[in-house]
Amino acid sequence: QVQLQQWGAGLLKPSETLTLTCVVYGGSFSGYYWSWIRQPPGRGLEWIGEVNHSGTTKYDPSLKSRVTISLDMSKSQFSLNMTSVTAADTAVYYCARGAPGGRRWFDPWGQGTLVTVSS
Amino acid sequence: IQLTQSPAFLSASVGDRVTITCRASQDISNFLAWYHQKPGKAPNLLIYIASTLQRGVPSRFSGSGSGTEFTLTISSLQPEDFGTYYCQELNDYPRSFGQGTKLEIK
Repeated sequence: QVQLQQWGAGLLKPSETLTLTCVVYGGSFSGYYWSWIRQPPGRGLEWIGEVNHSGTTKYDPSLKSRVTISLDMSKSQFSLNMTSVTAADTAVYYCARGAPGGRRWFDPWGQGTLVTVSS
Repeated sequence: IQLTQSPAFLSASVGDRVTITCRASQDISNFLAWYHQKPGKAPNLLIYIASTLQRGVPSRFSGSGSGTEFTLTISSLQPEDFGTYYCQELNDYPRSFGQGTKLEIK
């Protein structure tokens, strides 16, 4: 059974860079799409972007200029970098596995990391 | 693609039949998924491709619909079903979710 475990800094100052990492246990990278999704406090889910096993990425257009998602298959992990964070980036960030093929439902998910941006 | 869920809030009793609706701003065929999220936890996949039950999900959950209107039905509400339910379209980038339906157990 595939499990995702994520970690990263939980408190950042404005203009700093957010870095989160997600380790994949018990499964293969091939064929799947590895995503980051966030949830601002009290609000709904926002897709950030994804990377596939070939390293091909797609991002939400509103975040594309600040976001990089990368893959390290030798360590069975993928990462999110988001530059120049502001208070609007405060959220719980989740990593998730996207289904193969053209239709991308997400299962499983990581446990979530609360990232707070505050001066 | 915009997804609009209704109602935004729902209060029901154990044993009730509950229905949540998700409407898409354009035709997405049957490319829709449903998730359940409990407070402080990650979302849990319930249904994908509109009506396929994810392995391990109780059979009281079912999904239906196609085109622009979809429903999630809980046939007999259980205490552990409280939380927020989200729909997600599977058809296009960027991936989008509905705004959520918060379900309270009376």
